[in-house]
Amino acid sequence: RKEVEQDPGPFNVPEGATVAFNCTYSNSASQSFFWYRQDCRKEPKLLMSVYSSGNEDGRFTAQLNRASQYISLLIRDSKLSDSATYLCVVTINNNAGNMLTFGGGTRLMVKP
Amino acid sequence: GAGVSQSPSNKVTEKGKDVELRCDPISGHTALYWYRQSLGQGLEFLIYFQGNSAPDKSGLPSDRFSAERTGGSVSTLTIQRTQQEDSAVYLCASGTGGNQPQHFGDGTRLSIL
Repeated sequence: RKEVEQDPGPFNVPEGATVAFNCTYSNSASQSFFWYRQDCRKEPKLLMSVYSSGNEDGRFTAQLNRASQYISLLIRDSKLSDSATYLCVVTINNNAGNMLTFGGGTRLMVKP
Repeated sequence: GAGVSQSPSNKVTEKGKDVELRCDPISGHTALYWYRQSLGQGLEFLIYFQGNSAPDKSGLPSDRFSAERTGGSVSTLTIQRTQQEDSAVYLCASGTGGNQPQHFGDGTRLSIL
């Protein structure tokens, strides 16, 4: 089982739609969680951190469910420019200390 | 301010040659990661440096791959006797610690002929 799992998609949605992605993680001791966005042929960029109480940044809402070990990203009023791959990131503790581990990403395509 | 800098941006070389890729992390960042990404695929973790701890090399695909981080700053990823399957974008990222988000460089696009 992968340490961080995501549905690869693609999710095809019309402009203006609301779309949600989930990500599950296997290590119950994980403490930090992030969502990154990666555009085609570009490097990943931090979208937002995920806090225990849930947090919102404009049209984006991130939530954490520790009991079920998943995090979610909700995008409201989708824009064409939201088309990208969304990467879930979780900290894993190993012999080198805490390190970030990426999921495989969920591809979103927003259509006119 | 300056972000993570990688060089070269592009590298084309013949099969069997050795290549060296460089990563200059953001100043003061103690955590440094190397990944590679093939077209249309996810990030493949290669190696992780955190401060003075022994690096996590568990992602290196073969003994042809090695990485160093000198003085806790610049890192070089070396691939010996390159193969065509080594062709990919190699990404470096740095951060302030294991629980903090990391910031990526633009990557080195490596093509093995």
